[in-house]
Amino acid sequence: DTAVSQTPKYLVTQMGNDKSIKCEQNLGHDTMYWYKQDSKKFLKIMFSYNNKELIINETVPNRFSPKSPDKAHLNLHINSLELGDSAVYFCASSQDGLGGYTFGSGTRLTVV
Amino acid sequence: QKEVEQDPGPLSVPEGAIVSLNCTYSNSAFQYFMWYRQYSRKGPELLMYTYSSGNKEDGRFTAQVDKSSKYISLFIRDSQPSDSATYLCAFESGSARQLTFGSGTQLTVLP
Repeated sequence: DTAVSQTPKYLVTQMGNDKSIKCEQNLGHDTMYWYKQDSKKFLKIMFSYNNKELIINETVPNRFSPKSPDKAHLNLHINSLELGDSAVYFCASSQDGLGGYTFGSGTRLTVV
Repeated sequence: QKEVEQDPGPLSVPEGAIVSLNCTYSNSAFQYFMWYRQYSRKGPELLMYTYSSGNKEDGRFTAQVDKSSKYISLFIRDSQPSDSATYLCAFESGSARQLTFGSGTQLTVLP
């Protein structure tokens, strides 16, 4: 059973389109995250939700909007995609009292 | 000064070698110290997690933390080709448990 699963794995889309990435965790963790990994492999946090409540909202364009329908799901919607949005987006989850995060396998977004 | 500095590599070693990976940090708010391994086209996978200065061992891996010098290391003994990956140091801070990552060191272990 996959602990943190993201869909789709690959996404190729044109500039200006709107797209969504979905994430689900079956670990029972309270907190979920979105991270962006750029072409130089640098991982940077975008958002964090704890029990459906937004607790971290880093400086990202407001074209990016996270949504957490329940504590097991955290989706990322991106409006008006730009070339610079091309990256790998990772979902992760964690639980208070347990060390570290569990990451999904990533969504490779390419904007053309 | 960047919050986290990590030796960029790439690092190439023969099978069986001892590997040393290092990060320095400047943020005193970092409370927990981690190492992640990331294989190509996969998500980062937690290898080691610690919160105190000193050494922590798990099999062939040893994590070392020196809070006074703001320095962490990961040692891999008897390195194997399957250890070939990018290694990321990571630091946790704040009640939201935000992680700040190093830029990663790409390691290749040659058979």
